[in-house]
Amino acid sequence: GIQVEQSPPDLILQEGANSTLRCNFSDSVNNLQWFHQNPWGQLINLFYIPSGTKQNGRLSATTVATERYSLLYISSSQTTDSGVYFCAVVDNAGNMLTFGGGTRLMVKP
Amino acid sequence: SAVISQKPSRDICQRGTSLTIQCQVDSQVTMMFWYRQQPGQSLTLIATANQGSEATYESGFVIDKFPISRPNLTFSTLTVSNMSPEDSSIYLCSVVTGLLYTFGSGTRLTVV
Repeated sequence: GIQVEQSPPDLILQEGANSTLRCNFSDSVNNLQWFHQNPWGQLINLFYIPSGTKQNGRLSATTVATERYSLLYISSSQTTDSGVYFCAVVDNAGNMLTFGGGTRLMVKP
Repeated sequence: SAVISQKPSRDICQRGTSLTIQCQVDSQVTMMFWYRQQPGQSLTLIATANQGSEATYESGFVIDKFPISRPNLTFSTLTVSNMSPEDSSIYLCSVVTGLLYTFGSGTRLTVV
């Protein structure tokens, strides 16, 4: 099946700093989503982005499908950005959403 | 996107017992998915539940341990049977509407 790798696995930032999270996938995809899992375990959808670039406030994402990677940018980070960020994809063969290992982000005040 | 109500939100259970987790969706959906997230790990798909047919289980998961019901297009349950401490995890249900996957708020299970 498709492999999804995220980097870095852990990230500590000072409040106000910017960061870039990366997601590499091993095959063509027809669906890619970024999620934020808050400390209570809830998964919040950030972006549906199988290709192209999207922005939502301080967050933006870019997927280069031909090169099989996606980037999530967080600008002016806040303590509430802390949690785990997951990239998940669906390959062209099926409906199963496959998750990467996640990036655990801690933003310090 | 669909809104999913999942319950219970958390539970502490004795080993050897069973727990049933429920998910209610605010719209009719063809497929519902059940995931497990072990402590500090990513999400792993347990099974896909279609209404009117047996659930399809992923490698490493069996129906006797994780029986699933799907009585209609808006509801599903997952039972974690004969629990052991290794079953302590967050369990999440998910649906896809259009191309967007959404998740329930999760059930945090601790087995003692």
